[in-house]
Amino acid sequence: EAGVAQSPRYKIIEKRQSVAFWCNPISGHATLYWYQQILGQGPKLLIQFQNNGVVDDSQLPKDRFSAERLKGVDSTLKIQPAKLEDSAVYLCASSPDRAVYNEQFFGPGTRLTVL
Amino acid sequence: DQQVKQNSPSLSVQEGRISILNCDYTNSMFDYFLWYKKYPAEGPTFLISISSIKDKNEDGRFTVFLNKSAKHLSLHIVPSQPGDSAVYFCAASAASNTGKLIFGQGTTLQVKP
Repeated sequence: EAGVAQSPRYKIIEKRQSVAFWCNPISGHATLYWYQQILGQGPKLLIQFQNNGVVDDSQLPKDRFSAERLKGVDSTLKIQPAKLEDSAVYLCASSPDRAVYNEQFFGPGTRLTVL
Repeated sequence: DQQVKQNSPSLSVQEGRISILNCDYTNSMFDYFLWYKKYPAEGPTFLISISSIKDKNEDGRFTVFLNKSAKHLSLHIVPSQPGDSAVYFCAASAASNTGKLIFGQGTTLQVKP
């Protein structure tokens, strides 16, 4: 079974530029999550999708971050414009559904550096 | 507001000995707890979990203990192996909260040969 795929693996941009990350979850997984992991901290949920609908985006900085999952499969997370404090690893995860007892499977992440 | 805390940033143990990683939480609504393991340049991988209706769950060398009255859980690894060297994250979720995971800051475990 293929795991969660993410690209790019690394990205370096200057502040005020835009960037986009892509995630392809495990086939058949209805729930998709985007997390932000700042160095020295645990992952923090940014947004959760159930199929192509948003379940939770309470911690997404909506003035600069956006995410979509148009066909209920792969997803894109965008930052526009980027700030220095956005430097982090962006992790995508998926699970069969949003039941609390379901394990979440993580991709390798995209390491973003904002200069 | 750190609802899940891992107060030890790092831990070093000798191969073959026991590793004990600790985690505290503040939200009494949490009813499911998980441990994830993370190697450098990889995403976290699920290790073991425990429901709030239990106080212990064991899987091979890994055992998780839950003390609800103290809002504390711990992960025991016996015996520790060099391949266990990684960052360990404690996470919690509540059935009332869409299955969202709240993570601790992580503890870096080093197992010395």
